[in-house]
Amino acid sequence: GAVVSQHPSRVICKSGTSVKIECRSLDFQATTMFWYRQFPKQSLMLMATSNEGSKATYEQGVEKDKFLINHASLTLSTLTVTSAHPEDSSFYICSASLTGNSPLHFGNGTRLTVT
Amino acid sequence: GENVEQHPSTLSVQEGDSAVIKCTYSDSASNYFPWYKQELGKRPQLIIDIRSNVGEKKDQRIAVTLNKTAKHFSLHITETQPEDSAVYFCAASPAAGNKLTFGGGTRVLVKP
Repeated sequence: GAVVSQHPSRVICKSGTSVKIECRSLDFQATTMFWYRQFPKQSLMLMATSNEGSKATYEQGVEKDKFLINHASLTLSTLTVTSAHPEDSSFYICSASLTGNSPLHFGNGTRLTVT
Repeated sequence: GENVEQHPSTLSVQEGDSAVIKCTYSDSASNYFPWYKQELGKRPQLIIDIRSNVGEKKDQRIAVTLNKTAKHFSLHITETQPEDSAVYFCAASPAAGNKLTFGGGTRVLVKP
């Protein structure tokens, strides 16, 4: 069964609004979670590393003020897309490792459509 | 940073034939190489992985080989079945549990 849960699975929002996506580790604590973005027919691109209790580490080219990450507990990381625009429409997926040094498991993803 | 190249981008095979996907990476610090299968609209699922201290690993119809000197690794699927049709991604990382850099993906179509 799934070990990483993501919510919502789909969201449609209007341009200029903000959207929050939740990523939960099920039955294990994740001090680190990774957020990826996947455009249609493309690969997964790492956006940021979410660290429990500290600031996220963003990849080059990812705007930290636009993609707010909060990892306030050992089982929950949230990604907020602020002032969303149509070009932010994508598939957002989080991942975590059960033990910190075991393979990453991915959430079910969130398909964001900005109209 | 790490750069992972994956080929081919699409692969069409007849049911029962073998499929081979190849990846190269750039960072010699990478020691962990997983392969994920992703069906349309779904999450990537880990199908096999290999660590740098191993040259080959097999799990039923799936095998992965690693040449650390040449910085390339490959996925082999034998006796392909229609349910093997999906997009496959290779990835590289310093260690399991660390952030992954993905290849561009290979869309595999197994024709019955």
